[in-house]
Amino acid sequence: IAGITQAPTSQILAAGRRMTLRCTQDMRHNAMYWYRQDLGLGLRLIHYSNTAGTTGKGEVPDGYSVSRANTDDFPLTLASAVPSQTSVYFCASSDSGTGGYNEQFFGPGTRLTVL
Amino acid sequence: GQNIDQPTEMTATEGAIVQINCTYQTSGFNGLFWYQQHAGEAPTFLSYNVLDGLEEKGRFSSFLSRSKGYSYLLLKELQMKDSASYLCAVRDGDYKLSFGAGTTVTVRA
Repeated sequence: IAGITQAPTSQILAAGRRMTLRCTQDMRHNAMYWYRQDLGLGLRLIHYSNTAGTTGKGEVPDGYSVSRANTDDFPLTLASAVPSQTSVYFCASSDSGTGGYNEQFFGPGTRLTVL
Repeated sequence: GQNIDQPTEMTATEGAIVQINCTYQTSGFNGLFWYQQHAGEAPTFLSYNVLDGLEEKGRFSSFLSRSKGYSYLLLKELQMKDSASYLCAVRDGDYKLSFGAGTTVTVRA
């Protein structure tokens, strides 16, 4: 049982380059999320998707885009990376029904450094 | 916007009790979560409160007062493996989570 996988584990990227972070879940969760985690700031929501085919903007969406072509995959793309996008990126997923906790399950993270 | 406050750091002795407070001001409320995050790892779910009161789960308990915008996580019989960051997160009216910056707990022998 994999849960949520992310790739790559870590990456060093030159500023201006395009980069796609991959996220796949096998729990058949409707909702998926992308967060960045920076020291002293906690987890901040970048983009989310409540169901396949729909996406929404979170707290810090600028410079990032997402797509949700199917239930399992939710890639995050940096069109032209800048040093301020150096961070640890976590993908998460959850059920989205009205019953239950619907807690979010997190992937192992991608450590991205933009030089 | 959302405002979630928790202390930055706490230190306690093995076997002791530590209480991590969290205060919040959010637009809408659909539950409060506590997550544990060990250094270099992903956050993992610890507890959930949506009604006022105390939820107990083994050595960990979580309390919520919606009228005060206040929660705490109580860790009892501390063990060295409890050294981690503890994240308070509030689910708002749109069912999105907003996280506090986290409280780093260090357990000393």
